[in-house]
Order: sequence, then structure tokens, then C-alpha cells
Amino acid sequence: ETGVTQTPRHLVMGMTNKKSLKCEQHLGHNAMYWYKQSAKKPLELMFVYSLEERVENNSVPSRFSPECPNSSHLFLHLHTLQPEDSALYLCASSLWTGLNEQFFGPGTRLTVL
Amino acid sequence: GENVEQHPSTLSVQEGDSAVIKCTYSDSASNYFPWYKQELGKGPQLIIDIRSNVGEKKDQRIAVTLNKTAKHFSLHITETQPEDSAVYFCAATDGNAGGTSYGKLTFGQGTILTVHP
Repeated sequence: ETGVTQTPRHLVMGMTNKKSLKCEQHLGHNAMYWYKQSAKKPLELMFVYSLEERVENNSVPSRFSPECPNSSHLFLHLHTLQPEDSALYLCASSLWTGLNEQFFGPGTRLTVL
Repeated sequence: GENVEQHPSTLSVQEGDSAVIKCTYSDSASNYFPWYKQELGKGPQLIIDIRSNVGEKKDQRIAVTLNKTAKHFSLHITETQPEDSAVYFCAATDGNAGGTSYGKLTFGQGTILTVHP
């Protein structure tokens, strides 16, 4: 148990659906991250939030929309996704950005039909 | 930007043997190098990290070495056990890219380690 929880753990959606992924951290951290993990590819950083302010958008398509209402919660809103968006989506948090250890959640396995 | 290459992509060893995974990076400004272990159905978990002012760090059966001149760092696992079987990722960051106080972690492609009993 890393102190970072993600829900749901599995999600199957059609290309026209709208869904949201949720992440919550119980570590008192100030930075939160979304990563995409696809088979045979390195983890890809998607978004970074520091004190609820987005500090990085790593050229992610607009069909992915993050939201950070407070430093403990992070959402990823999904709409009109493509089959190639199927992947494991990982949330992480760290005390601050920079040289701090990132703690990862278990991920949400997303399948887009 | 930073580019991290990791080898090998798969590694199979017998229980009790040593395992070595190597990574190279491209950005000479990088100064923080963590290693993560990811077990099936779980997110990556930090197992050891090293900063650029240190050449080697050890924690029980796990050690990491860093050669800043050659821009490569390695993970060494001794006396491997079946529970060491997992995917291992190296990463690198400069920790303070352009003075913005934000450093992006760039990950290697991962190594699938299998330890046979």
C-alpha cells in the first residue's frame, strides 16, 4: 500500500463514452502526476500538478482533461477516446516536484472499444 | 530533452545468481536517478535511488552505480530470489529544468526480470 489509491481499477468504454478516472493520495504531498503505460513502451508523463496548478502538459490530446480540485485528489476526464488510448493509467504523487520520490498508485486498466 | 535507454529488455537468472540492468542517459544536467520495481497488477515502487554527487549506493541485496562521465547507471541485485521477479524501470531527471523547480522524470523501457527457483 503506497498511500495512493485509484478508481476504478478496470474500465471498458466505447469511443463515444465519457468517463473519469480518480486518484487520491493520503501522504500529504503537494504534487500529483498522470502517466500512461502502454505495452513495450516507457512510462509516458501526461500531466503534472503542483499545489493544484498544472505545471506540465506533455502534448496530450484534448480528449484527456485533467482536474485537480485540491492537493489530495486528481481526476482524468476522458471523452471520445480512440482504441490506441487503451493502456494502464497511473497516478503518482510526491512531496514536491523535482528530486522527490514519486509514489505510484496501482493504476486503472483502460480498454477502449 | 532527456532520453533514457535501458538494457536488457528481458533477463532470466537462476535463484541465487546476480542480476545487472544498465541504463544510459543523454542529458548531462540529469542529477537524480531512481529505480522502480513493478509487480503484476501494481504500480511502480521505488527500490533505490542515487544522486549525482554519489558514485554508488547499496541497500542490502540491491546496489546502484553511477558513472556521470559516461552517462550510465546500473542496478545490481545479488542473491536473487523468486520474489525479485518483476519489471524494473530506471529513470533520470535534472530536478530543476530551466529553473522552474520542476524536473521531469524520463523512464527507460523496462526490464522483465525472471528468477527461476
